Amino acid sequence: GAVVSQHPSWVICKSGTSVKIECRSLDFQATTMFWYRQFPKQSLMLMATSNEGSKATYEQGVEKDKFLINHASLTLSTLTVTSAHPEDSSFYICSARTGLAGLTDTQYFGPGTRLTVL
Amino acid sequence: AQKITQTQPGMFVQEKEAVTLDCTYDTSDQSYGLFWYKQPSSGEMIFLIYQGSYDEQNATEGRYSLNFQKARKSANLVISASQLGDSAMYFCAMRAKGNQFYFGTGTSLTVIP
Repeated sequence: GAVVSQHPSWVICKSGTSVKIECRSLDFQATTMFWYRQFPKQSLMLMATSNEGSKATYEQGVEKDKFLINHASLTLSTLTVTSAHPEDSSFYICSARTGLAGLTDTQYFGPGTRLTVL
Repeated sequence: AQKITQTQPGMFVQEKEAVTLDCTYDTSDQSYGLFWYKQPSSGEMIFLIYQGSYDEQNATEGRYSLNFQKARKSANLVISASQLGDSAMYFCAMRAKGNQFYFGTGTSLTVIP
């Protein structure tokens, strides 16, 4: 159980275009999903917290107008990188909370999306 | 402020041997959870094991065990009987109040045949 999928797994796009990444919880409902960015050989950096039916909460330094997050249902959150530039090239990973009470609420991660902007 | 420290950027272990990956944390919260994740070269983050701050016994999951020393604020991961498939990056994470996970910088484990 607790499977999270991401689509696409990799994408190459031209500079200036927008790219949408989907994150789905397949066998559970996730009221909260998280979006991370990971540079090569570095740890995960939290970009934003996405709550179903409300606006996402962005971490300091993350441009909300550039990284649009929509959490339209309990099983789907999307991240759209608008007007992508080469510096946006990275590995983007989503995760979803299982919703269990207390601190045992584990985050389960999607397989990640590798974005390359030419 | 919450902080997770992994001081071993890279570790090597002989196949079938045990290995310990270090993790220390800093928090002023009384209630918190500690997690270990494995990230193979494919990139997927795989949940391994969880330890709650009030759990008196060390968590175990198959070949994984967590050596939790609360007074020292350490939560080391022990992998017994290492296998070639264990070669990966390993991240320690902490969840305190709120939703946020705090990740360490990771340890790259290489299992030598």
